[in-house]
Amino acid sequence: DVVLTQSPLSLPVTLGQPASISCRSSQSLVYRDGNTYLSWFQQRPGQSPRRLIYKVSNRDSGVPDRFSGSGSGTDFTLKISRVEAEDAGVYYCMQGSHWPPWTFGQGTKVEIK
Amino acid sequence: EVQLVVSGGGSVQPGGSLSLSCTASGFTLSHFWMSWVRQAPGAGLEWVANINNDGSEKHYVDSVKGRFSISRDNAGNSLYLQMNNLRVADTAVYYCARDDWGPAVYGGQGTLVIVSS
Repeated sequence: DVVLTQSPLSLPVTLGQPASISCRSSQSLVYRDGNTYLSWFQQRPGQSPRRLIYKVSNRDSGVPDRFSGSGSGTDFTLKISRVEAEDAGVYYCMQGSHWPPWTFGQGTKVEIK
Repeated sequence: EVQLVVSGGGSVQPGGSLSLSCTASGFTLSHFWMSWVRQAPGAGLEWVANINNDGSEKHYVDSVKGRFSISRDNAGNSLYLQMNNLRVADTAVYYCARDDWGPAVYGGQGTLVIVSS
């Protein structure tokens, strides 16, 4: 099974400052069709997960452009250019290139200082 | 707007059974693979099972194989998860999700399943 390792697991951030979360995979996430199926999710307290980014760097509809995804192969990053109060929550990466199973990272808790 | 309304959670003793339902609206269910994802208290997300468009292909995480069964009724816009021989470790909030190379759109709140003696 593919193991996704996120870091840091806890990220205190000051409002207006940037934030960055790393997701490293135990094997390359390039699928046989050439695409890389790595997504990022946000889960606010008490809410269900919401996908922000798919296929490494594509923002879902309605996602603010302060969120961006990058990376390739086994190393991926989610960046928030300027953190806002509503960005507090837990962020997960998920891979859909080697399945089953579809696997998630452990989660990174973003808290506003 | 995609809506996925999950029902059927509750409390059960170890070894017991529960059946979860997910009613979909805002999209054509038959066009999508669908998943169940769970989240134990204070823990992260875990994919549990999924099913292809017509129900002919199903996949399960190893920990539930032989105990859980996923099914769907496209005409009735519903997804199901039959959970048998439940264990304490199955305690979690269970979400229904529409797939897009994995569970992608959750569309609503999950349902809490508590397995305890």
